[in-house]
Formats: sequence, structure tokens, C-alpha cells
Amino acid sequence: GAGVSQTPSNKVTEKGKYVELRCDPISGHTALYWYRQSLGQGPEFLIYFQGTGAADDSGLPNDRFFAVRPEGSVSTLKIQRTERGDSAVYLCASTPGPVSEAFFGQGTRLTVV
Amino acid sequence: KQEVTQIPAALSVPEGENLVLNCSFTDSAIYNLQWFRQDPGKGLTSLLLIQSSQREQTSGRLNASLDKSSGRSTLYIAASQPGDSATYLCAVKDDYGQNFVFGPGTRLSVLP
Repeated sequence: GAGVSQTPSNKVTEKGKYVELRCDPISGHTALYWYRQSLGQGPEFLIYFQGTGAADDSGLPNDRFFAVRPEGSVSTLKIQRTERGDSAVYLCASTPGPVSEAFFGQGTRLTVV
Repeated sequence: KQEVTQIPAALSVPEGENLVLNCSFTDSAIYNLQWFRQDPGKGLTSLLLIQSSQREQTSGRLNASLDKSSGRSTLYIAASQPGDSATYLCAVKDDYGQNFVFGPGTRLSVLP
């Protein structure tokens, strides 16, 4: 596709369950970002990949959160033992380079009940 | 640590007015600044990207300026339309990290 694609668009899960959120970046974009956005706030940084490696994971809130990008394209954000406070919209973005324009996906709305 | 603020938090104007949205950042060592639009329940749509060496960028009715030394950017919207109603976010990429730091956004309503 032409843009950043995120799946699923909505995910409802029970407290304590494991979830995976997927991001397909724009083809050829080497940099990939994950952000989390709570209602009425700006997005908060989680993790940044340059190629296959996590260049900066300082935004991950705790060790229940983990993300991978094994082939330098698709990325998966994994959340273990979900808590109600994890409910938010998870956004993914990609850029062709470090000073280039960032393009965001439509987000995954995660609701933990 | 870079911090980004946006004023006002919300703005309501009648159709046809020109308006200015403000973005301030605390650390002037930045790579670039990007303005986004977000419609309710949607992702972010890129509007304008200003590199640190640039003073302004224009796209249609939108004009964004950057004053890096004072830590400020403005987004000017000319002849506003109801379709411009959305939340506008600015984001700064600084020299230290590789991530974007976002402001909280300005929620704009353009009344017909």
C-alpha cells in the first residue's frame, strides 16, 4: 500500500491477556516509530527502529512492552499481562531517513477491560 | 529534556477568518519541526515539515514559520473553512534523540 498500515484497527482484550499490534511501514522507509496516545493528549514516544535494530527504546513504560522488526520492514508491538492503563491508541510512523517527513498510520485503538 | 507546548488548547472561529496556532519548544537544538492534523478517531496527517535551516514552509492556505533561536513555530491558516476543524499537533525532532516530541495539540473548530 501507499501509506503506513496498522492492524487491527481496534482491539478489545481482557486484563492480563497478551496482545500484538502490527505495523506495515511505507516500502523502503528505514526508520519506524511507535507512539501511544491517550485521549486529549499528544502522542508519547515508545520505541524507534533504524532497520532491524531498536535504536531507542527509552519510551517503553516497563518490561511488559516489547517490539520487534526482524526483517527491517513490518514491526510488531507486543504487550504482556495487559492492564487497564494500557488502553490507548497506538500509532506507528515511518520515515525514509532521520531528517525526513514522518508518515503515520491510522492507529490501533486498544481497550483493556 | 525537550518539552513542547501549544497555545491555545482550543480555538473556535467563524468561517473565513485567518488564524494562527502557536507551538513552543524548550531546546533549540532541533533537526526539524513538523505540523500534523488529526481528525477525531483518526491517525495523524502530515501538513508541513520545516528543517532547522528553514524559516518557513507553505502549502496552499497553510504557512508554517520557525524561529529556532526563540523556540517557536506558528501555523497560519488563511480563510478558514469548516473542513479545517481538527486537532493540530506540532512535533519536534531534536539533535539528541531520533524520536519526535509532540505538543498536546490545539483543537480547532471552524463554524459555518
